[in-house]
Amino acid sequence: RKEVEQDPGPFNVPEGATVAFNCTYSNSASQSFFWYRQDCRKEPKLLMSVYSSGNEDGRFTAQLNRASQYISLLIRDSKLSDSATYLCVVNNRAAYKYIFGTGTRLKVLA
Amino acid sequence: GAVVSQHPSRVICKSGTSVKIECRSLDFQATTMFWYRQFPKQSLMLMATSNEGSKATYEQGVEKDKFLINHASLTLSTLTVTSAHPEDSSFYICSASNRDRYEQYFGPGTRLTVT
Repeated sequence: RKEVEQDPGPFNVPEGATVAFNCTYSNSASQSFFWYRQDCRKEPKLLMSVYSSGNEDGRFTAQLNRASQYISLLIRDSKLSDSATYLCVVNNRAAYKYIFGTGTRLKVLA
Repeated sequence: GAVVSQHPSRVICKSGTSVKIECRSLDFQATTMFWYRQFPKQSLMLMATSNEGSKATYEQGVEKDKFLINHASLTLSTLTVTSAHPEDSSFYICSASNRDRYEQYFGPGTRLTVT
């Protein structure tokens, strides 16, 4: 079983739609969680950190469920520019390593 | 976010030659730098973690004699792919972190093609 698992997609949604991605992790010692965005042939860029109480940044909302060991990302009012691969990243601070999911591909259609 | 640069952005080399990739943190001191490799349609795979002034820690399956890492200062780490082979062709990405922040900032990546 992979340490971090994501549905690879692609998720094809129309502009303006709301879309949600889930990610599960296997290491209960994981302490920090992030969503990164990666465009084709580019480096990952930090989208948002995920906090225990959940957090929101504009159209993006991230949630963490430690009991079930999953994190989620909700995108409201999708834009064409949201088309990218979204990477779930989990960090075990003691080991100081980032573990990446394989990414979920999103295509927002006009 | 913090700025991390990588050089070169793209390199083509012949089989058997060595290639050096530089990673620089431009606006903060990176106590730790990470080197990743990404094959097409796959996720980033951590190759090694490098702390300034000490030897790099390599992930299982990554040959330390083939992928030489040097982290001589708080702003510079280098990865040298020695005796490159076509199967080493990949997208190599570095990231830099300050331990206090726990966030990693990625360089733009280097696309290596070995012919």
